[in-house]
Amino acid sequence: KQEVTQIPAALSVPEGENLVLNCSFTDSAIYNLQWFRQDPGKGLTSLLLIQSSQREQTSGRLNASLDKSSGRSTLYIAASQPGDSATYLCAAQSNTGNQFYFGTGTSLTVIP
Amino acid sequence: GAGVSQSPRYKVAKRGQDVALRCDPISGHVSLFWYQQALGQGPEFLTYFQNEAQLDKSGLPSDRFFAERPEGSVSTLKIQRTQQEDSAVYLCASSLDLGGRGYTFGSGTRLTVV
Repeated sequence: KQEVTQIPAALSVPEGENLVLNCSFTDSAIYNLQWFRQDPGKGLTSLLLIQSSQREQTSGRLNASLDKSSGRSTLYIAASQPGDSATYLCAAQSNTGNQFYFGTGTSLTVIP
Repeated sequence: GAGVSQSPRYKVAKRGQDVALRCDPISGHVSLFWYQQALGQGPEFLTYFQNEAQLDKSGLPSDRFFAERPEGSVSTLKIQRTQQEDSAVYLCASSLDLGGRGYTFGSGTRLTVV
């Protein structure tokens, strides 16, 4: 069974800092990898989707990379803002194309 | 609709009671998924539908859990004889296709079993 691990579990940074969230997965036979954001009491919002054939995706201040061979993905957030405070979840989609395997998330706090 | 709609938002059930959770996916989305998210954990897969066909139910934790999507749109997750360990947020997601395009989650139903 695919195991997804996220480090660190929690992170607190001052506003304006660049930061990196890490995700590792045990089975490299993935269909794609997604990063999600979850605000308290809310559902998940998809941030970036990286297909298995891709190396990275960018959206605004966010950049996600994927290294399938080493089973790693990183989410880079530039110039962090208080509004970025949330839990960030990494999820690897299985090769059968249906279910996602989620990590336990990184809780990010950006201090004004 | 504009997004995935789940109801109710909150449900408190007495142990042993049956509950039904509803998911209304985005119109036209073929795939529908149910996940269970315990406090402080990431979501865990329960079951998956493609149109009205339930193609994978390997994540359902026991035979007390049952899901259906009879007309390929709205889905219901039913939990019979609820137990305290069933307390969690139940998330529904839909996507345009198997590739994960437009993968959209609802806000979830928080179930508390007392």
